[in-house]
Amino acid sequence: DSGVTQTPKHLITATGQRVTLRCSPRSGDLSVYWYQQSLDQGLQFLIQYYNGEERAKGNILERFSAQQFPDLHSELNLSSLELGDSALYFCASSAPGSYEQYFGPGTRLTVT
Amino acid sequence: AQTVTQSQPEMSVQEAETVTLSCTYDTSENNYYLFWYKQPPSRQMILVIRQEAYKQQNATENRFSVNFQKAAKSFSLKISDSQLGDTAMYFCAFMNQYGGATNKLIFGTGTLLAVQP
Repeated sequence: DSGVTQTPKHLITATGQRVTLRCSPRSGDLSVYWYQQSLDQGLQFLIQYYNGEERAKGNILERFSAQQFPDLHSELNLSSLELGDSALYFCASSAPGSYEQYFGPGTRLTVT
Repeated sequence: AQTVTQSQPEMSVQEAETVTLSCTYDTSENNYYLFWYKQPPSRQMILVIRQEAYKQQNATENRFSVNFQKAAKSFSLKISDSQLGDTAMYFCAFMNQYGGATNKLIFGTGTLLAVQP
Protein backbone atom coordinates (compact mmCIF):
# COMPACT_ATOMS: atom_id res chain seq x y z
CA ASP A 1 0.00 0.00 0.00
CA SER A 2 1.59 3.24 -1.22
CA GLY A 3 -0.57 5.51 0.92
CA VAL A 4 -2.12 7.15 -2.15
CA THR A 5 -5.84 6.52 -2.49
CA GLN A 6 -8.02 6.78 -5.56
CA THR A 7 -11.76 6.51 -5.96
CA PRO A 8 -13.62 4.96 -7.57
CA LYS A 9 -11.74 1.78 -8.51
CA HIS A 10 -13.92 1.17 -11.52
CA LEU A 11 -16.16 3.44 -13.54
CA ILE A 12 -18.38 2.50 -16.46
CA THR A 13 -20.11 5.27 -18.34
CA ALA A 14 -21.48 6.14 -21.75
CA THR A 15 -20.04 8.31 -24.49
CA GLY A 16 -20.72 11.99 -24.04
CA GLN A 17 -20.88 11.79 -20.27
CA ARG A 18 -18.72 13.49 -17.66
CA VAL A 19 -16.91 11.82 -14.75
CA THR A 20 -14.75 12.88 -11.83
CA LEU A 21 -11.84 10.86 -10.52
CA ARG A 22 -10.57 11.57 -7.04
CA CYS A 23 -7.11 11.20 -5.53
CA SER A 24 -5.77 11.67 -2.01
CA PRO A 25 -1.98 11.93 -1.79
CA ARG A 26 0.20 10.45 0.93
CA SER A 27 0.29 12.41 4.15
CA GLY A 28 2.75 15.28 3.78
CA ASP A 29 3.02 15.08 0.00
CA LEU A 30 2.33 18.35 -1.80
CA SER A 31 2.70 17.22 -5.42
CA VAL A 32 0.02 15.26 -7.26
CA TYR A 33 0.48 13.83 -10.74
CA TRP A 34 -2.10 12.28 -13.06
CA TYR A 35 -1.17 9.63 -15.61
CA GLN A 36 -3.19 7.74 -18.21
CA GLN A 37 -2.42 4.14 -19.15
CA SER A 38 -4.01 2.86 -22.34
CA LEU A 39 -3.20 0.04 -24.72
CA ASP A 40 -2.37 2.30 -27.65
CA GLN A 41 -0.69 5.22 -25.85
CA GLY A 42 1.03 3.44 -22.99
CA LEU A 43 1.67 5.39 -19.77
CA GLN A 44 1.37 9.12 -20.34
CA PHE A 45 1.71 12.08 -18.03
CA LEU A 46 -1.34 14.32 -17.98
CA ILE A 47 -0.85 17.06 -15.38
CA GLN A 48 0.94 17.97 -12.14
CA TYR A 49 -0.21 20.09 -9.22
CA TYR A 50 1.93 21.37 -6.38
CA ASN A 51 0.27 22.72 -3.26
CA GLY A 52 -2.84 23.76 -5.13
CA GLU A 53 -1.20 25.24 -8.20
CA GLU A 54 -0.75 23.72 -11.63
CA ARG A 55 2.96 22.97 -12.11
CA ALA A 56 3.24 21.09 -15.40
CA LYS A 57 1.02 19.93 -18.22
CA GLY A 58 1.46 16.97 -20.52
CA ASN A 59 -0.72 15.42 -23.19
CA ILE A 60 -3.97 16.39 -21.54
CA LEU A 61 -6.99 16.91 -23.77
CA GLU A 62 -9.00 20.12 -23.56
CA ARG A 63 -11.99 18.00 -22.50
CA PHE A 64 -10.01 17.03 -19.39
CA SER A 65 -9.34 19.30 -16.43
CA ALA A 66 -7.96 18.91 -12.95
CA GLN A 67 -7.58 20.78 -9.70
CA GLN A 68 -5.97 20.37 -6.31
CA PHE A 69 -7.91 21.51 -3.28
CA PRO A 70 -6.67 23.16 -0.04
CA ASP A 71 -6.68 19.77 1.71
CA LEU A 72 -4.36 18.62 -1.13
CA HIS A 73 -6.69 16.04 -2.62
CA SER A 74 -7.04 16.28 -6.37
CA GLU A 75 -9.78 15.64 -8.88
CA LEU A 76 -9.51 14.85 -12.57
CA ASN A 77 -12.58 15.77 -14.57
CA LEU A 78 -13.20 14.08 -17.91
CA SER A 79 -16.02 15.41 -20.08
CA SER A 80 -17.62 14.61 -23.43
CA LEU A 81 -16.23 11.13 -23.04
CA GLU A 82 -15.25 9.11 -26.08
CA LEU A 83 -14.57 5.40 -26.47
CA GLY A 84 -10.87 6.19 -26.72
CA ASP A 85 -10.85 7.65 -23.22
CA SER A 86 -11.21 4.15 -21.79
CA ALA A 87 -8.05 3.63 -19.79
CA LEU A 88 -6.52 3.21 -16.37
CA TYR A 89 -5.99 6.58 -14.71
CA PHE A 90 -3.30 6.79 -12.06
CA CYS A 91 -2.62 9.42 -9.49
CA ALA A 92 0.83 9.69 -7.93
CA SER A 93 2.22 11.90 -5.21
CA SER A 94 5.62 13.02 -3.99
CA ALA A 95 6.98 14.81 -0.97
CA PRO A 96 8.59 18.27 -1.09
CA GLY A 97 12.17 17.97 -2.31
CA SER A 98 11.74 14.29 -3.18
CA TYR A 99 11.96 12.92 -6.70
CA GLU A 100 10.18 9.67 -5.92
CA GLN A 101 6.59 9.33 -7.03
CA TYR A 102 4.24 6.85 -5.35
CA PHE A 103 1.24 5.64 -7.26
CA GLY A 104 -2.30 4.98 -6.20
CA PRO A 105 -4.16 1.83 -7.28
CA GLY A 106 -5.71 3.57 -10.27
CA THR A 107 -9.24 4.09 -11.57
CA ARG A 108 -10.28 1.93 -14.49
CA LEU A 109 -12.58 3.92 -16.76
CA THR A 110 -14.66 2.12 -19.36
CA VAL A 111 -16.61 4.23 -21.84
CA THR A 112 -19.31 2.32 -23.72
CA ALA B 1 12.23 15.63 -26.11
CA GLN B 2 13.28 12.77 -23.92
CA THR B 3 12.41 9.22 -24.93
CA VAL B 4 12.70 5.87 -23.19
CA THR B 5 13.04 2.63 -25.15
CA GLN B 6 12.49 -0.89 -23.90
CA SER B 7 13.29 -3.22 -26.76
CA GLN B 8 12.17 -6.46 -25.09
CA PRO B 9 8.36 -6.71 -25.12
CA GLU B 10 8.41 -10.06 -23.31
CA MET B 11 10.91 -12.13 -21.38
CA SER B 12 10.84 -15.41 -19.51
CA VAL B 13 13.06 -16.75 -16.73
CA GLN B 14 13.14 -19.84 -14.58
CA GLU B 15 12.56 -19.50 -10.87
CA ALA B 16 15.82 -18.84 -8.95
CA GLU B 17 17.62 -17.74 -12.12
CA THR B 18 18.85 -14.24 -13.00
CA VAL B 19 17.36 -12.05 -15.70
CA THR B 20 18.29 -8.65 -17.11
CA LEU B 21 15.81 -6.19 -18.60
CA SER B 22 17.13 -3.54 -20.97
CA CYS B 23 16.33 0.15 -21.18
CA THR B 24 17.86 2.97 -23.18
CA TYR B 25 16.95 6.62 -23.09
CA ASP B 26 17.65 9.76 -24.99
CA THR B 27 18.25 13.14 -23.41
CA SER B 28 20.49 16.16 -23.76
CA GLU B 29 20.23 16.93 -20.06
CA ASN B 30 22.97 16.13 -17.58
CA ASN B 31 20.91 15.94 -14.41
CA TYR B 32 18.10 13.44 -14.24
CA TYR B 33 16.74 10.39 -12.47
CA LEU B 34 15.96 6.91 -13.72
CA PHE B 35 13.52 4.42 -12.29
CA TRP B 36 12.18 0.92 -12.69
CA TYR B 37 8.54 0.38 -11.82
CA LYS B 38 6.82 -2.98 -11.51
CA GLN B 39 3.18 -3.50 -12.47
CA PRO B 40 1.88 -6.93 -11.38
CA PRO B 41 -1.49 -8.29 -12.53
CA SER B 42 -3.15 -6.19 -9.79
CA ARG B 43 -2.18 -3.16 -11.96
CA GLN B 44 -0.60 -1.35 -9.00
CA MET B 45 2.53 0.61 -10.00
CA ILE B 46 5.32 -0.22 -7.57
CA LEU B 47 8.63 1.62 -7.42
CA VAL B 48 11.41 -0.98 -7.58
CA ILE B 49 14.61 1.00 -7.77
CA ARG B 50 15.90 4.48 -8.55
CA GLN B 51 19.19 5.94 -9.80
CA GLU B 52 20.47 9.50 -9.71
CA ALA B 53 22.42 10.37 -12.88
CA TYR B 54 25.14 12.16 -10.90
CA LYS B 55 25.96 8.99 -8.98
CA GLN B 56 28.40 6.60 -10.62
CA GLN B 57 27.61 3.78 -8.23
CA ASN B 58 24.86 1.46 -9.42
CA ALA B 59 21.78 1.29 -7.20
CA THR B 60 20.86 -1.95 -5.45
CA GLU B 61 17.71 -2.96 -3.62
CA ASN B 62 17.87 -6.52 -2.29
CA ARG B 63 17.58 -8.84 -5.35
CA PHE B 64 17.25 -5.91 -7.74
CA SER B 65 20.22 -4.01 -9.12
CA VAL B 66 20.85 -1.74 -12.07
CA ASN B 67 23.65 -1.28 -14.56
CA PHE B 68 23.74 2.45 -15.28
CA GLN B 69 25.91 3.46 -18.22
CA LYS B 70 25.51 7.24 -18.53
CA ALA B 71 27.62 7.70 -21.67
CA ALA B 72 25.73 4.94 -23.44
CA LYS B 73 22.40 6.17 -22.00
CA SER B 74 21.62 2.68 -20.84
CA PHE B 75 19.85 1.61 -17.65
CA SER B 76 19.26 -2.12 -17.30
CA LEU B 77 17.61 -3.96 -14.41
CA LYS B 78 18.97 -7.22 -13.07
CA ILE B 79 16.75 -9.46 -11.00
CA SER B 80 18.62 -12.16 -9.11
CA ASP B 81 17.08 -15.32 -7.64
CA SER B 82 13.84 -14.71 -9.57
CA GLN B 83 10.66 -15.51 -7.71
CA LEU B 84 7.16 -16.25 -8.95
CA GLY B 85 6.03 -12.95 -7.43
CA ASP B 86 8.36 -11.11 -9.78
CA THR B 87 6.02 -11.92 -12.66
CA ALA B 88 4.87 -8.49 -13.83
CA MET B 89 5.22 -5.78 -16.42
CA TYR B 90 8.35 -3.73 -15.77
CA PHE B 91 8.56 -0.11 -16.86
CA CYS B 92 11.69 1.96 -17.18
CA ALA B 93 11.11 5.67 -16.50
CA PHE B 94 13.03 8.93 -16.86
CA MET B 95 12.65 12.18 -15.00
CA ASN B 96 14.42 15.47 -15.63
CA GLN B 97 15.66 17.40 -12.66
CA TYR B 98 14.76 21.07 -12.86
CA GLY B 99 16.01 23.27 -10.03
CA GLY B 100 15.13 20.78 -7.32
CA ALA B 101 11.45 20.50 -8.24
CA THR B 102 9.94 17.15 -9.06
CA ASN B 103 8.79 16.58 -12.58
CA LYS B 104 6.91 14.23 -14.83
CA LEU B 105 7.90 10.63 -15.44
CA ILE B 106 8.47 9.52 -19.02
CA PHE B 107 7.85 5.80 -19.37
CA GLY B 108 9.03 3.15 -21.77
CA THR B 109 6.59 0.69 -23.31
CA GLY B 110 7.34 -1.98 -20.74
CA THR B 111 8.72 -5.52 -20.63
CA LEU B 112 6.42 -8.33 -19.59
CA LEU B 113 8.42 -10.72 -17.42
CA ALA B 114 7.15 -14.23 -16.74
CA VAL B 115 8.86 -16.28 -14.03
CA GLN B 116 8.41 -19.97 -14.70
CA PRO B 117 8.31 -22.55 -11.88
